[in-house]
Amino acid sequence: QVQLVESGGGVVQPGTSLRLSCAASGFTFTSYAMHWVRQAPGKGLEWVTVISYDGSNKYYADSVKDRFTISRDNSKNTLFLQLSSLRAEDTAVYYCASFITTDAFDVWGQGTMVTVSS
Amino acid sequence: EIVLTQSPGTLSLSPGERATLSCRASQSVSNNYLAWYQQKFGQAPRLLISGASSRATGIPDRFSGSGSGTDFTLTISRLEPEDFAVYYCQQFSSSLTFGGGTRVEIK
Repeated sequence: QVQLVESGGGVVQPGTSLRLSCAASGFTFTSYAMHWVRQAPGKGLEWVTVISYDGSNKYYADSVKDRFTISRDNSKNTLFLQLSSLRAEDTAVYYCASFITTDAFDVWGQGTMVTVSS
Repeated sequence: EIVLTQSPGTLSLSPGERATLSCRASQSVSNNYLAWYQQKFGQAPRLLISGASSRATGIPDRFSGSGSGTDFTLTISRLEPEDFAVYYCQQFSSSLTFGGGTRVEIK
């Protein structure tokens, strides 16, 4: 079945970096744009970034622009998010998600927690 | 960027009652690129409604979406115990944004 599995979260200090991964299965990964959405503890959902199916186009929320980088490896059906210059306010569960069968996020991973703390 | 404002922040209702959730956009959402999600504690969001009014696969018909332009509504006709959760609206007419959420709690 369609599945997204994130990994790579953890506890890091402010100013450091971290790379998240999202392994996709059960659908033709190379055909779909992929997104990252995050949720700070006790807060709502925030869209972070999107990458086109072939990796040629990328867009970011202003809050992460110039600090986060989205990429994908279509040969391995894997999505990445490189987080740099991390701040306390980046503490959140990070979900990968996509529009597969409709014009909305119909597929979500289980999320990976990133905690930025000294 | 389109700002989505959800109201009320919290809705206290009993099982069997009708729930009406509002999502108001700061600008018109074109092509009805408006979706609704349900999120339970510790879980990823689940898609309920896309295109403002189309139920996602497997979603019970007690859930319905309506509206256009700047005003959208999610209605749960008769609340079941498993419906008590947080609900978010989301648009991608201009960039992609989520509303702040409405918590539906047991009265």
